[in-house]
Amino acid sequence: DAGITQSPRHKVTETGTPVTLRCHQTENHRYMYWYRQDPGHGLRLIHYSYGVKDTDKGEVSDGYSVSRSKTEDFLLTLESATSSQTSVYFCAIGGRVDEKLFFGSGTQLSVL
Amino acid sequence: SQQGEEDPQALSIQEGENATMNCSYKTSINNLQWYRQNSGRGLVHLILIRSNEREKHSGRLRVTLDTSKKSSSLLITASRAADTASYFCATDDSSNTGKLIFGQGTTLQVKP
Repeated sequence: DAGITQSPRHKVTETGTPVTLRCHQTENHRYMYWYRQDPGHGLRLIHYSYGVKDTDKGEVSDGYSVSRSKTEDFLLTLESATSSQTSVYFCAIGGRVDEKLFFGSGTQLSVL
Repeated sequence: SQQGEEDPQALSIQEGENATMNCSYKTSINNLQWYRQNSGRGLVHLILIRSNEREKHSGRLRVTLDTSKKSSSLLITASRAADTASYFCATDDSSNTGKLIFGQGTTLQVKP
């Protein structure tokens, strides 16, 4: 999958606990994105990064934070997980703004 | 809010038939992309068409773009059982950040 690794692949957690998902790339791409996929909603952008320490919000950013301290890693944190954050989370990378994205295999997160 | 809306939401055809999926979007774009997702997997890029292009081909795929109607179509010719998947259109938002806004997708089933 184009040098993208998401971890963990599956996670079950309890409401109120913090959760961090990791996206690691070996492509040296500048742009990284976190999406969530839910039935009936397609993919929705949570946060994205356009460089080290440069991040911005997407359309569904409430309850999420991100960090990118080095080019290859983009972390998504749920500070206090809620059941509404049960979803499949996908990381994507891109080298240029007008080209295709490469997606990771996803993380299935269940918040009980 | 969704930028792209796919139609139909689900499509079932026999092997050998053609499959056509449509996508409508709301705002000006630089490019429109189509992605495929097999069940439980990440998205895979199929084809990108730029706003100044009207038609593009890739193997059995044909994509058209009508910017005056803000719509695109994906045609898969001579479909195979292996084409069974969900197909998503995605548009950039002209912000030059590489962000893609996805539609809800069309689920295609190709019966052998």
